[in-house]
Amino acid sequence: QKEVEQNSGPLSVPEGAIASLNCTYSDRGSQSFFWYRQYSGKSPELIMFIYSNGDKEDGRFTAQLNKASQYVSLLIRDSQPSDSATYLCAVNRAAGNKLTFGGGTRVLVKP
Amino acid sequence: DAGITQSPRHKVTETGTPVTLRCHQTENHRYMYWYRQDPGHGLRLIHYSYGVKDTDKGEVSDGYSVSRSKTEDFLLTLESATSSQTSVYFCAISGTGTTDTQYFGPGTRLTVL
Repeated sequence: QKEVEQNSGPLSVPEGAIASLNCTYSDRGSQSFFWYRQYSGKSPELIMFIYSNGDKEDGRFTAQLNKASQYVSLLIRDSQPSDSATYLCAVNRAAGNKLTFGGGTRVLVKP
Repeated sequence: DAGITQSPRHKVTETGTPVTLRCHQTENHRYMYWYRQDPGHGLRLIHYSYGVKDTDKGEVSDGYSVSRSKTEDFLLTLESATSSQTSVYFCAISGTGTTDTQYFGPGTRLTVL
């Protein structure tokens, strides 16, 4: 079992719809959770992080964390073609401030 | 953009040659990291540093060494490059808190022939 798992996709969503991305992790000691967006040929850039159970909203993005079930999700509302990218889930297991990344989910937003 | 640069941005080399990649930051962050990214494997940590001269191994450290003699510079060395080390290499920096974001450099595309 991988430490951080994501569906590789592609997740195809029509423009204006909600894209829902999921990530599960194996280490119950994980403390903080990050979502990065990576355009093809570019470096990852942070969308948001979450460390408490529940929802956290930032613009069109909402991160949801459920530590009991060991999953974190990302919702993208009103999806735009510019949201087409690979979304990386990362988990901080606290030791050494290191992140463990999932393999990423590719999202395609179709006009 | 966070002040992180990587050099070179692209490199083609031959099997058996030594290669050094450089990461330079202007943010005075304590933590620095080297990752490699390969299709099907995502981002994997090679080595990281938590201060000058303080480094530790990540999950894929075999065949790589690092050095950090100044806060702003973190070097990754492939002592004898192999074709399996063909990859895109990213440097990242962060503060010390568990919610501190890791900011990534632009990446170095390395091809070992």
